[in-house]
Amino acid sequence: SELTQDPAVSVALGQTVRITCQGDSLRSYYATWYQQKPGQAPVLVIYGKNNRPSGIPDRFSGSSSEITASLTITGAQAEDEADYYCKSRDSSSFQWVFGGGTKLTVL
Amino acid sequence: QVQLVQSGTEVKIPGASVKVSCKASGFIFSNHWMHWVRQAPGQGLEWMGIINPSGDTTSYAQRLQGRLTLTRDTSTNTVYMELRSLRSEDTATYYCARDESDQDSGGRQWWFFALWGRGTLVAVSS
Repeated sequence: SELTQDPAVSVALGQTVRITCQGDSLRSYYATWYQQKPGQAPVLVIYGKNNRPSGIPDRFSGSSSEITASLTITGAQAEDEADYYCKSRDSSSFQWVFGGGTKLTVL
Repeated sequence: QVQLVQSGTEVKIPGASVKVSCKASGFIFSNHWMHWVRQAPGQGLEWMGIINPSGDTTSYAQRLQGRLTLTRDTSTNTVYMELRSLRSEDTATYYCARDESDQDSGGRQWWFFALWGRGTLVAVSS
């Protein structure tokens, strides 16, 4: 199964942005969200229903409905400019899949 | 210190094989399944495969089946990724990641990678 993300999204500094991820597997499993900056390994930002690892600012939040998972950044900062990937387990196999990624630009 | 330390850059010719290592420290290695993920230059993340704690169960991405083998050495807390019959399209940074999972009260599950290696660049070129 596939996970579909918008390739690019922009947000004005301090505003709110929602990044979405769609796929049939999201009916069965929660999405996980990762942030990746150039030249760096991905960093976990949201997992489960809406859990943040320690060190991730509370402006990051997650939600899920039917086949759509969303990552919301409330009050985007310049340092949030990055690529964001969703990930979930495939609903019909013991495999995992990443979305294509969303490049977030903070204006 | 909790970390995954990967082996260094590899340069290979088409048709060769590569074996990348990922050594764990600072946590109980035998408690975790391990994943491998790769990223071609300028491209997105691609899940490659998973191996269980004892090393006797694996699952691979369909497009890599037949060329990919994951193994682990519990005595050295190391997991290995071997990719055979390399092609130019296999040029990528390869990451290992520690699996963690949980579920909510309704049984809906999630898996996450809170710990990643820093990546190993594998370049395939004639």
